[in-house]
Amino acid sequence: DIVMTQSPDSLAVSLGERATIKCKSSQSVLSNSDNKNYLVWYQQKPGQPPKLLISWASTRESGVPDRFSGSGSGTDFTLTVSSLQAEDVAVYYCQQCYGAPLTFGGGTKVEIK
Amino acid sequence: QVQLVESGGGVVQPGRSLRLSCAASGFTFSTYGMHWVRQAPGKGLEWVAIISYDGSNELYADSVKGRFAISRDNSKNALYLRMNSLRAEDTAVYYCAKSPAPMGYYLDWWGQGTLVTVSS
Repeated sequence: DIVMTQSPDSLAVSLGERATIKCKSSQSVLSNSDNKNYLVWYQQKPGQPPKLLISWASTRESGVPDRFSGSGSGTDFTLTVSSLQAEDVAVYYCQQCYGAPLTFGGGTKVEIK
Repeated sequence: QVQLVESGGGVVQPGRSLRLSCAASGFTFSTYGMHWVRQAPGKGLEWVAIISYDGSNELYADSVKGRFAISRDNSKNALYLRMNSLRAEDTAVYYCAKSPAPMGYYLDWWGQGTLVTVSS
């Protein structure tokens, strides 16, 4: 199984400041056949189901604000919120979609400082 | 608009069975793979199972293999999870989720979830 490790477990960021979340996979999730990174990011606000934010490591889903961006390749990935807003308070999860079993990172809780 | 509505959760004794249902609407159900994902109270996300668009292919997490069965009825736009031999560690919110492909490995829409509590 591919193990996904997120860091930090939690972080507190001032409004308008940058939040950076790391995700590392135990093996590469970059496909040789299509050159895509099989890595997605979800946002889960309190009391709500997760919401897909970013697919293929860096493609924002429709309607996701452009302050959210994803980067990285192979085994190391980053989710960045460029200017944190109050509504971004949530737990963020990475997930590899390279193969079954699907596996998630442990989550990163983002709060306002 | 995609809607996924889970039902069937509740309190069940260890060793007993339960069937969850998910009613889908707002998309062509029969062309997409579907998943169950669970989240224990205060914990992270754990993938449970996937079924292909036509029901011909199923995969399970090791933690539920042999005890849980995913199925679908495309004529009713419905997804199911039969859970047997339930254990305390199966206690969680169970989410039904849609994949963006016939057997896709990520989830682009999630239901609100249904809580299953396994306790004597």
